[in-house]
Amino acid sequence: DADVTQTPRNRITKTGKRIMLECSQTKGHDRMYWYRQDPGLGLQLIYYSFDVKDINKGEISDGYSVSRQAQAKFSLSLESAIPNQTALYFCATSDYSSTDTQYFGPGTRLTVL
Amino acid sequence: GESVGLHLPTLSVQEGDNSIINCAYSNSASDYFIWYKQESGKGPQFIIDIRSNMDKRQGQRVTVLLNKTVKHLSLQIAATQPGDSAVYFCAENERGAQKLVFGQGTRLTINP
Repeated sequence: DADVTQTPRNRITKTGKRIMLECSQTKGHDRMYWYRQDPGLGLQLIYYSFDVKDINKGEISDGYSVSRQAQAKFSLSLESAIPNQTALYFCATSDYSSTDTQYFGPGTRLTVL
Repeated sequence: GESVGLHLPTLSVQEGDNSIINCAYSNSASDYFIWYKQESGKGPQFIIDIRSNMDKRQGQRVTVLLNKTVKHLSLQIAATQPGDSAVYFCAENERGAQKLVFGQGTRLTINP
């Protein structure tokens, strides 16, 4: 969905490096989410934010941190990347005033060597 | 903990046939369900949703059925086309929980 963009789309890094993944949206939604997807598996929630001043841990927040810089921007950081954080990362947004359906970005493929 | 799961990890159908993708959920407090389609290299795309006060909802070539008695959700795709090849995820939202729980996914492949 072009309304939700993620940068970078692909990233290869080394163990111990700090990495930031960025998400921007033009949908005007208040809620933003970060998910991780491992090969052949579903989506696991890392962090979510219901507005600029709200940050909540998801199922697998250890090793990750987030920053909600503005309504439209939500970034995910890996403070010290490790190989088992190699995965696809998706950002999503939703508008609770309607149905809370989440709309996803195109994903970032992260490889930690 | 309670979670959403899928009966089958893969499903192969002939082009033109109808496809039925199943999903079992265990959280009786869930009141909103969504089906997503994920094509290779892309993010999940919303297909159709249904609230717990309904048992059927139809879209363009897709129908979602909800059976709350047995906690079962299904996605029916009519006249399956090659472009329907993807992984399909169901997701549930528990009333008041304000976040979705996703199932593992079913890969749908279309045979010519």
